[in-house]
Amino acid sequence: DAGVIQSPRHEVTEMGQEVTLRCKPISGHNSLFWYRQTMMRGLELLIYFNNNVPIDDSGMPEDRFSAKMPNASFSTLKIQPSEPRDSAVYFCASSTNRVGETQYFGPGTRLLVL
Amino acid sequence: AQSVTQLGSHVSVSEGALVLLRCNYSSSVPPYLFWYVQYPNQGLQLLLKYTTGATLVKGINGFEAEFKKSETSFHLTKPSAHMSDAAEYFCALNQGGKLIFGQGTELSVKP
Repeated sequence: DAGVIQSPRHEVTEMGQEVTLRCKPISGHNSLFWYRQTMMRGLELLIYFNNNVPIDDSGMPEDRFSAKMPNASFSTLKIQPSEPRDSAVYFCASSTNRVGETQYFGPGTRLLVL
Repeated sequence: AQSVTQLGSHVSVSEGALVLLRCNYSSSVPPYLFWYVQYPNQGLQLLLKYTTGATLVKGINGFEAEFKKSETSFHLTKPSAHMSDAAEYFCALNQGGKLIFGQGTELSVKP
């Protein structure tokens, strides 16, 4: 199995631009999670989906952030407009939805907003 | 509310020495607990997890952790540190399908 795939691995953009991060979960996994990692705040859960449906988006910072999961094999996290404080590493993770199951993380997207 | 506390943001040991990374949790229900490792510029990789059953859990790379309900702890240990163990380690608690992470402990290994 290829594991969780994220693209791009690195993104540099200017303030005000739209940024789209992409994630392909492990085949057969029906839960998908988006996390953000910063030095100041550590690892934060932004949103998670179960069977393509958003279950909890309480971690999404503000309306500039949106996430979609149009099918079981693809999800996007969009920031529009981007701001310098959005600079972070964004991770996608997937798991089955059985209780106590392991979440498998992708390699992350390192975002720098200038 | 459920929470995870990792004591010590930085731990430094000599190669061959015991590694002990501390994790305490707060949970109103029986917890599912995890340790993940993150190498530089990589994602998180599962080291081990506790769900039910045996309280001493063995993981990859010689690590193990013991679930102690009375102490609400899930400390990570390894008898002999190797240079390749240098990384950041995260303790996490599963709450309703979501992971709640501690702040992480950076482990340095001196030759």
